[in-house]
This record gives sequence, C-alpha cells and structure tokens, in this order.
Amino acid sequence: SQQGEEDPQALSIQEGENATMNCSYKTSINNLQWYRQNSGRGLVHLILIRSNEREKHSGRLRVTLDTSKKSSSLLITASRAADTASYFCATDGSRDSGGSNYKLTFGKGTLLTVNP
Amino acid sequence: DTAVSQTPKYLVTQMGNDKSIKCEQNLGHDTMYWYKQDSKKFLKIMFSYNNKELIINETVPNRFSPKSPDKAHLNLHINSLELGDSAVYFCASSPGWGRGGFYEQYFGPGTRLTVT
Repeated sequence: SQQGEEDPQALSIQEGENATMNCSYKTSINNLQWYRQNSGRGLVHLILIRSNEREKHSGRLRVTLDTSKKSSSLLITASRAADTASYFCATDGSRDSGGSNYKLTFGKGTLLTVNP
Repeated sequence: DTAVSQTPKYLVTQMGNDKSIKCEQNLGHDTMYWYKQDSKKFLKIMFSYNNKELIINETVPNRFSPKSPDKAHLNLHINSLELGDSAVYFCASSPGWGRGGFYEQYFGPGTRLTVT
C-alpha cells in the first residue's frame, strides 16, 4: 500500500503567490524527501528532511515535518511559471515500523500549475 | 554528461513482442532502480540492485527481467509484452542508504512504452 499521500491532488495559483502541498504517511520513517517532475521528464530531488528535523529550507522551498502527525508540508514561496510541475513526497519507512530501508515509497503527487 | 541516461526514450511495439530498455549512470552510485509510472502518475518501484545484486523485486511478473552487468548499468528486458505494460519506465540511481535512512535518488528521463 502507498506510504505517502499528497494533498491537494491539483493546485492552481498565480505567479508570485505561495504554494503549499501536504504529504501524509503511515509508518515511522528515517527521512522524507520531496521531488519535482516536470511534464515528460524524470523526477528531480528537491529536499530531504530527517525524522529528527522539524523544518528545512532550500532557496524558495520550505519543508516541515511533524512525525507525531505523520505529515509533511512543502511550501514554495513567490512561485514562478517555471515551478509548474508535479510534486511528490517519498518516504523510506524505518525498519522498526516494519518498513524497508531499501526503497522509497512515493505518493501520487500534487500537480501545481502556476499561471503567469 | 547526463548523470542517468536511458534508451530508448520512446518505444512503440505490438503485444507479444520482447523489448529491452537500457540504463546507465555515471555518478558512481552503488544502487540502481527501475520504476513504473502509470497514466495517473503513480510511481511504483519494480526492482533494485545494489552492487549488481538484486535486493528488491516487487511482485513484478516474471516477464520482466532486470540485468546488471556492472554497477553503472541496469537494463530491463520485457518478454511477451501486454497492453497493461504501457507506461513510463524510469531508471534511477542513488548512493543507497545510511544511518539517516535513504539517500536521494537521481532519475533518468524515462522511457515511454506503448504496447498496441
């Protein structure tokens, strides 16, 4: 079964606005990762947050992690048309929870459209 | 100098045929993967190799056979192609995993397989 579930499934905003995407997961994790996929392309790694971290920044990206709620959020500030893509969270599932360290499990993604 | 490359990018073939997809990475990673992404963008792991050794085989029909001649290459051979095999197949590589969990993965551009 899926580990990560993104919400919303689709998000449409205007350039300059902020975009927030959420991810929920089911088992304990070692880390959670966010990826971007432009149309017709492969996934690109954006940011990794470890289970003992609560917040992480990278440029215009801000990721939060709440392990008690088993959820994460990705905030993109001052969005640009070039940010239009699908965004996926991925978790590795710690062994203690019966998960696997040997694979990442991806959610279904949030399709973000940034209108110029 | 593409990090993870796949060939071909597009593959159109008829049911019952046998086809192969090739993947190469020049990142020096120990671990390589094959993923299948369906029409709803759901990304599911199929196989994972670590140092040429198969470590994940996710209930994939045995018509699919991966082969890793060396650490830098992971090919996917598919026998007796079926309509349901139509999807985008992604190769990925990563340094593997450590105490902090899984490292980030680097994806190839994908191979769009269409079975008619």
